Amino acid sequence: DIQMTQSPSSLSASVGDRVTITCQASQDIKYLNWYQQKRRKAPKLLIYDASNLEAGVPSRFSGSGSGTEFTLTISSLQPEDIATYYCQQYGDLPQVAFGGGTNIEIK
Amino acid sequence: QVQLQESGPGLVKPSQTLSVSCSVSGGSIRRGGYYWGWIRQQPGKALEWIGCIHHSGRTYYNPSLKSRLIISVDTSKNEFSLRLSSVTAADTAVYYCARIRGLYSIWFEHWGQGTLVTVSS
Repeated sequence: DIQMTQSPSSLSASVGDRVTITCQASQDIKYLNWYQQKRRKAPKLLIYDASNLEAGVPSRFSGSGSGTEFTLTISSLQPEDIATYYCQQYGDLPQVAFGGGTNIEIK
Repeated sequence: QVQLQESGPGLVKPSQTLSVSCSVSGGSIRRGGYYWGWIRQQPGKALEWIGCIHHSGRTYYNPSLKSRLIISVDTSKNEFSLRLSSVTAADTAVYYCARIRGLYSIWFEHWGQGTLVTVSS
């Protein structure tokens, strides 16, 4: 099984800061997606296939990476970005796995 | 815009079977190459993929749950369901249904609001 490790598990940053979250896979993966989950809400798709912005998602969100290391970047953190962020890898079904999550707070 | 809505029992006793359904509106469950999936989240924990189904009935299951899991689809009702048998407290979670873009595009693009199922005597 492929294990997905996110870092950090939590972070506190100021409004306007550039924030980067990393997702590391235990072996090379092809595809990685990112989700935002606000408190007591369902997750929302932000980025698919590493770097493609889902329709309607603000352009301050971006994704990059390949192989075993991927990143989600928020170029200028906004108060509404307070949430937990999850990465999710996939290959041929049933190979699907989520990372452990990164909780972002505002300083 | 497609919408998904879960419905579940709220409380299930240990060793019994948990059943949750997902009603799809705003589009036919038979349309296109979409898959329809289940994800759960234990209290305070990360997301866990459960499995998914195509309207044809083709299913894929998380290997860790496969022995206890059945996912089915009812195209006449435009809904799909999961049944998880022999439940324990570890199966207490919010259960989400979601639409998956496709067999080779496995991202969860639309989600239901989730339904909490508690396993307790």
